[in-house]
Amino acid sequence: EDKVVQSPLSLVVHEGDTVTLNCSYEVTNFRSLLWYKQEKKAPTFLFMLTSSGIEKKSGRLSSILDKKELFSILNITATQTGDSAVYLCAGVIQGAQKLVFGQGTRLTINP
Amino acid sequence: KAGVTQTPRYLIKTRGQQVTLSCSPISGHRSVSWYQQTPGQGLQFLFEYFSETQRNKGNFPGRFSGRQFSNSRSEMNVSTLELGDSALYLCASSFSSGGPYNEQFFGPGTRLTVL
Repeated sequence: EDKVVQSPLSLVVHEGDTVTLNCSYEVTNFRSLLWYKQEKKAPTFLFMLTSSGIEKKSGRLSSILDKKELFSILNITATQTGDSAVYLCAGVIQGAQKLVFGQGTRLTINP
Repeated sequence: KAGVTQTPRYLIKTRGQQVTLSCSPISGHRSVSWYQQTPGQGLQFLFEYFSETQRNKGNFPGRFSGRQFSNSRSEMNVSTLELGDSALYLCASSFSSGGPYNEQFFGPGTRLTVL
């Protein structure tokens, strides 16, 4: 059965800290890995990672995929209170619009 | 461009009833996927529709069904509601289905509470 596991499930840090969120996956016919940020409502897209070892960056956020070890990390540097959210990773099944999500990491940034 | 819209935003039902949720995709998007989000199970894939046909299906009982109309709007139906069906139901639309993955855009969700 396809499975995506995120760790930690919950993380509380102070503003300015750097955090690393982990995502491991076992997905048959794996194509890509996605990261989403979910605040109160709809998840919003952050990154899509398809190739191993190529870092994607967007401001203070960056992410990388290791297809040999089947995991990805999401880094957030110089965290701000606005980064508080649930971060979701999802595996994309080849040839389908089906996503397999992890449980999410609830990140809380305290001022 | 307007985003994905879902109606209603909140619903309260009792056990045994049925419910229909609606999703209007982004204009031009033909694929609509549905997900159930609960605290215990996280986000789980229900099904995906493309051109009025169900193309992919998750591991949910037959009480969960859906359909898509010619204008790409989709409805999801849950019959004989159970307490465990209480969840946030999200739909996501994308330009196409199959082949290279196309980014899915999520709606705000419908929060269903079953009493």
